[in-house]
Amino acid sequence: DAKTTQPNSMESNEEEPVHLPCNHSTISGTDYIHWYRQLPSQGPEYVIHGLTSNVNNRMASLAIAEDRKSSTLILHRATLRDAAVYYCILRLNYGGSQGNLIFGKGTKLSVKP
Amino acid sequence: DADVTQTPRNRITKTGKRIMLECSQTKGHDRMYWYRQDPGLGLRLIYYSFDVKDINKGEISDGYSVSRQAQAKFSLSLESAIPNQTALYFCATSDLGLSTDTQYFGPGTRLTVL
Repeated sequence: DAKTTQPNSMESNEEEPVHLPCNHSTISGTDYIHWYRQLPSQGPEYVIHGLTSNVNNRMASLAIAEDRKSSTLILHRATLRDAAVYYCILRLNYGGSQGNLIFGKGTKLSVKP
Repeated sequence: DADVTQTPRNRITKTGKRIMLECSQTKGHDRMYWYRQDPGLGLRLIYYSFDVKDINKGEISDGYSVSRQAQAKFSLSLESAIPNQTALYFCATSDLGLSTDTQYFGPGTRLTVL
């Protein structure tokens, strides 16, 4: 299974942008890149996903490298509520496991007031 | 009301006991999943079900069994609980299981096996 590599932790100041990196050098051509986050004491929640082009939604932006071997989740203005563990996940797109999520350890984001 | 609910939310039990964790969803999704999370780690897939008649083992199915009673209900059983099954358990659902699909997670069940 294709794996992702993320920093264990990052810190940010409130109301500043945050760039969360993810490396996925073994990504296959049809794997989608998904980001989920897990707030304290909650289940994970979907943030954003993309294939090749950069993506924006109300929560965040996703910048995907041209060779697709890395991506960056961008929170434009971090709030205290954004403190969470962020998971970068490659979504399997073949075989009987299509659609399954393979979680890594994620990046724990701390936001300082 | 929450779309994905789990019961119980917390459970303490003893080694050797049979335990059932239940998951219900109102999203009308066909696919349901059970994950476990150990401290400081990401989630690992235990079992998943594409529909009522389809059950599949995930990465760590040993020591667990599941039952898909209906489209909306997916239960996880520990036939004889052991201490290393102490963990946080999450249920999730998704629609078609496509690579663009979103999984929706329940609030989790904290299980402690003494």
